[in-house]
Amino acid sequence: ETGVTQTPRHLVMGMTNKKSLKCEQHLGHNAMYWYKQSAKKPLELMFVYSLEERVENNSVPSRFSPECPNSSHLFLHLHTLQPEDSALYLCASSPGTTNTGELFFGEGSRLTVL
Amino acid sequence: AQSVTQLGSHVSVSEGALVLLRCNYSSSVPPYLFWYVQYPNQGLQLLLKYTSAATLVKGINGFEAEFKKSETSFHLTKPSAHMSDAAEYFCAVSQTTSGTYKYIFGTGTRLKVLA
Repeated sequence: ETGVTQTPRHLVMGMTNKKSLKCEQHLGHNAMYWYKQSAKKPLELMFVYSLEERVENNSVPSRFSPECPNSSHLFLHLHTLQPEDSALYLCASSPGTTNTGELFFGEGSRLTVL
Repeated sequence: AQSVTQLGSHVSVSEGALVLLRCNYSSSVPPYLFWYVQYPNQGLQLLLKYTSAATLVKGINGFEAEFKKSETSFHLTKPSAHMSDAAEYFCAVSQTTSGTYKYIFGTGTRLKVLA
């Protein structure tokens, strides 16, 4: 299995829908991240979890709700999104948030909000 | 606060020519620096990283980067471009805040390789 797996790869939703993005890592890492990648913008860090505890919430609107039930799984629950939320959402993991190990990324979930 | 600047959002080179992608950082402490590559419809993949060991870092696919503290630069090079190198490249720096490392990414440079 690949190191970090994201599902679904593509998602189209209306502004009133509720959907979730899923991320699973098979690397035994302790930290997991959500990033947003929009065209012509730097990667935006959204959330960081270390050992299932949220350690970073980068001023993300409440319509994005993360969940980390264990160190291998990370979810991003989506509710009443706006068209400007359309982007590629990348999940990543690292050995921990207190070392300089690199991030391992999934292939991303391409979200389109109509 | 640390930051990363990538000069040139688009770079075109001929196949077989030298690839040079520029990255400058700002940091008040010795940084940890990374280069990632992103192919279409994929996530980011680590090319190489600098963690205060050798200043010349060799990575995958023939890429290397040199850490120059005096210039606050970490430019990525490859002697001879291949068509398969066409992708987007991101420079990143990690910083610690209260013991937690965060990764700051540049805006990316899209490399085009001409036949």
